[in-house]
Amino acid sequence: AQSVSQHNHHVILSEAASLELGCNYSYGGTVNLFWYVQYPGQHLQLLLKYFSGDPLVKGIKGFEAEFIKSKFSFNLRKPSVQWSDTAEYFCAVNSNAGKSTFGDGTTLTVKP
Amino acid sequence: DGGITQSPKYLFRKEGQNVTLSCEQNLNHDAMYWYRQDPGQGLRLIYYSQIVNDFQKGDIAEGYSVSREKKESFPLTVTSAQKNPTAFYLCASSKERGAYNEQFFGPGTRLTVL
Repeated sequence: AQSVSQHNHHVILSEAASLELGCNYSYGGTVNLFWYVQYPGQHLQLLLKYFSGDPLVKGIKGFEAEFIKSKFSFNLRKPSVQWSDTAEYFCAVNSNAGKSTFGDGTTLTVKP
Repeated sequence: DGGITQSPKYLFRKEGQNVTLSCEQNLNHDAMYWYRQDPGQGLRLIYYSQIVNDFQKGDIAEGYSVSREKKESFPLTVTSAQKNPTAFYLCASSKERGAYNEQFFGPGTRLTVL
C-alpha cells in the first residue's frame, strides 16, 4: 500500500525566511511525486512534479523539491518566502495504476 | 474557460437521505477522481475512474457510489450507509490514465448532514 507522511502540520515563518517542508512516501513501485498548493479561497493546483531524471525539480513561484530515493523523501523548498506563499501544501504519490495518495497537508503562514 | 465544475457549493441534507454531488469537466480528460477532505486529514480518495464506464474504489469507498456514463461527468452519491458524511468533497480530473498526470481540481462541495 502506498502512503505519504508530511511531518509539519503548521509552519509559521517571517517574510524572507527559507522554507523546507518535509514529505516521506512509501510505495513499492516506480514513484511519481507531486506537490500541490491551495491558496486561500482558490482551488488546489500543481506546484511541481517528479517522474524521473534530475532529482531536483523546479516548480512555479520559485519553489523546488528534491527527490532522495534512499530516504524516500521529496521535500519542498523555497529560499525566501513571501506573504503570498501563505497556503496549504500537499505532497502526493501516484501509483502505476493511477491511484493517488495525499499527505495530510502543511499549513504555511508567512508573517509580513 | 476550461475547468471542473462542482455544484452546489454548499449542501444540507437530513440524516438518512442519499445525496448526489455533481462533477462536470470540459477539459476532455479521461480520468476523474473524488476525494474527501477533513480538517487535519488531507485528501482521502473515495473513487476514481480512468475511463468511461469503469471506476475503482479508493481508500474510503464504503457508503459512497459513483457512475461514469459520460466522459465529462462523474457524480458521487453519498448514501445513508456513510456513517460520517459531513465533509468537504473535492472532484478532480487528469488528462490520461496512469501515474504521470497531474490532477486538476474543482472548487469543492461542502456537505452538511443534519
